[in-house]
Amino acid sequence: EAGVTQFPSHSVIEKGQTVTLRCDPISGHDNLYWYRRVMGKEIKFLLHFVKESKQDESGMPNNRFLAERTGGTYSTLKVQPAELEDSGVYFCASSQGGRELFFGEGSRLTVL
Amino acid sequence: DQQVKQNSPSLSVQEGRISILNCDYTNSMFDYFLWYKKYPAEGPTFLISISSIKDKNEDGRFTVFLNKSAKHLSLHIVPSQPGDSAVYFCAATGGFKTIFGAGTRLFVKA
Repeated sequence: EAGVTQFPSHSVIEKGQTVTLRCDPISGHDNLYWYRRVMGKEIKFLLHFVKESKQDESGMPNNRFLAERTGGTYSTLKVQPAELEDSGVYFCASSQGGRELFFGEGSRLTVL
Repeated sequence: DQQVKQNSPSLSVQEGRISILNCDYTNSMFDYFLWYKKYPAEGPTFLISISSIKDKNEDGRFTVFLNKSAKHLSLHIVPSQPGDSAVYFCAATGGFKTIFGAGTRLFVKA
């Protein structure tokens, strides 16, 4: 069974540009989460989808961040325009009702 | 406001000895606690968990202890092995959202 996959693994962009991160959860997992980790800090919650609906987006930093989950399958997280403080590793995780989260390998974003 | 705190950024232990990683939380609504392990360039992977109705859960070399009155949990690894060297994240949940700490980097020296 395939795990959670994320693309790209690393993205380097200039301040002001746009980046779109993609996450494919484990097949059949209705719950999809986005988290972000800035170097040495906590893995911070961004938002939670249940199927295609946003259950909780309280962690989204501001309106430069837009998350979608089309048809309740894969999800995208777009940052537009990117700022320096957006740099970090963006993790996607999925679950099927249980408390344990299954994480992808993360997408490292570097904004110059 | 950080609801889950891991105050030790790193810990170094000799192979074969016990590793004790600590975690404190502030939200009394948390009812389930987890530890995740993370290797470089990989995502966190689930290690062990404990419900708030228990005070101990054991899985092989790994034991998690929960002290609800102190809002404190700890992960014990006995005996520690070089392959245990990784970053360990404490996490807590009271519903759909899981809150993570900043992690403790464990070095197990051979």
